Amino acid sequence: AQSVTQLDSQVPVFEEAPVELRCNYSSSVSVYLFWYVQYPNQGLQLLLKYLSGSTLVKGINGFEAEFNKSQTSFHLRKPSVHISDTAEYFCAVSEDTGRRALTFGSGTRLQVQP
Amino acid sequence: SAVISQKPSRDICQRGTSLTIQCQVDSQVTMMFWYRQQPGQSLTLIATANQGSEATYESGFVIDKFPISRPNLTFSTLTVSNLSPEDSSIYLCSVEDRRQGIQYFGAGTRLSVL
Repeated sequence: AQSVTQLDSQVPVFEEAPVELRCNYSSSVSVYLFWYVQYPNQGLQLLLKYLSGSTLVKGINGFEAEFNKSQTSFHLRKPSVHISDTAEYFCAVSEDTGRRALTFGSGTRLQVQP
Repeated sequence: SAVISQKPSRDICQRGTSLTIQCQVDSQVTMMFWYRQQPGQSLTLIATANQGSEATYESGFVIDKFPISRPNLTFSTLTVSNLSPEDSSIYLCSVEDRRQGIQYFGAGTRLSVL
């Protein structure tokens, strides 16, 4: 079984500032890692994924994340945020074989202020 | 990418009734997943639905309360039975593009139980 911990429930940040949303996971098997974004009253949209290969992955809307196996982390970063980035961000993990259902973290509310 | 149509988008139901949610995908998929997102919380997997077999339920979810049908490779339904206010949540279906290792989500069904 896997688990995901998002260390910050809310992250307030000013527009054009950098941001990092933290995610740690635990698993006894190899995993895939994901970040999803949920805008108010909408479904989930995939921001980026790590399946294998380069540990630095780039996603949509200028976001990137780095997979750190030794620290079991997958932190999400953006060098300069916009008001439109205000949303709920979920880190998720799945096994890399078998059923591959997702286990989600508790979410981080990113609040971008002008 | 898969396009998922989920119906209804929202509903208000009376205590003791049932609601059936439909999930239609624009391509054939092996596995479909149903998740619940309680107010202000993260997503929790309810069950995995494979075509031609019984759904696999997660701990805390039972078939009598959440019966699932999966009649073909592009369609599934989730019924939430004997509704109580505690069932007020967003219910989401998802499918996996196994080749890409990505799960795509429907827009969700927002259920309110009075």
